[in-house]
Amino acid sequence: GQNIDQPTEMTATEGAIVQINCTYQTSGFNGLFWYQQHAGEAPTFLSYNVLDGLEEKGRFSSFLSRSKGYSYLLLKELQMKDSASYLCAVVEGNYQLIWGAGTKLIIKP
Amino acid sequence: IAGITQAPTSQILAAGRRMTLRCTQDMRHNAMYWYRQDLGLGLRLIHYSNTAGTTGKGEVPDGYSVSRANTDDFPLTLASAVPSQTSVYFCASSADSNNEQFFGPGTRLTVL
Repeated sequence: GQNIDQPTEMTATEGAIVQINCTYQTSGFNGLFWYQQHAGEAPTFLSYNVLDGLEEKGRFSSFLSRSKGYSYLLLKELQMKDSASYLCAVVEGNYQLIWGAGTKLIIKP
Repeated sequence: IAGITQAPTSQILAAGRRMTLRCTQDMRHNAMYWYRQDLGLGLRLIHYSNTAGTTGKGEVPDGYSVSRANTDDFPLTLASAVPSQTSVYFCASSADSNNEQFFGPGTRLTVL
């Protein structure tokens, strides 16, 4: 069946680095998205991976291993504004998007 | 209009009432989606439309209907609301079904 797993909550310190993992089991694979969602707001796009490897975009990077069904989002130089939920979503074989429950990231000074 | 908008922002509704949530985008996107988001469950797809004139069922379609008469609008109707439909509803659109989705601000619906 379809399954996407992310940690429910993580805590990190301002200025540090944090890695949020996502593992998936889906019917086919056509890419993986990471979104950021601040409390009470809509999700916003962060990254998209369809090939294995690391995609870097400023302080945020996303990694994909299709053979392992695994991705991570790496956030560097953490800022207080990075406190949010981070959602992993997989594009299945039929091009439907399956969403993980999200990881709530708490940044402490 | 810039991007994707939803109305109303929030609504309290008596059980059994009919309700339509509105969604409009001005990006000329082909695909549009309706999700509900409940605490601890993540986003769940209710209905989608890959192009104007077509719609499809998502993961949790029961109790909801949609229409896509044109490119811009994708209303979601609850024919007879029940308390389990209390949720935050997000509309989203994408250029095509495999592209980044842009989300509206959401509608917070409470069914009593």
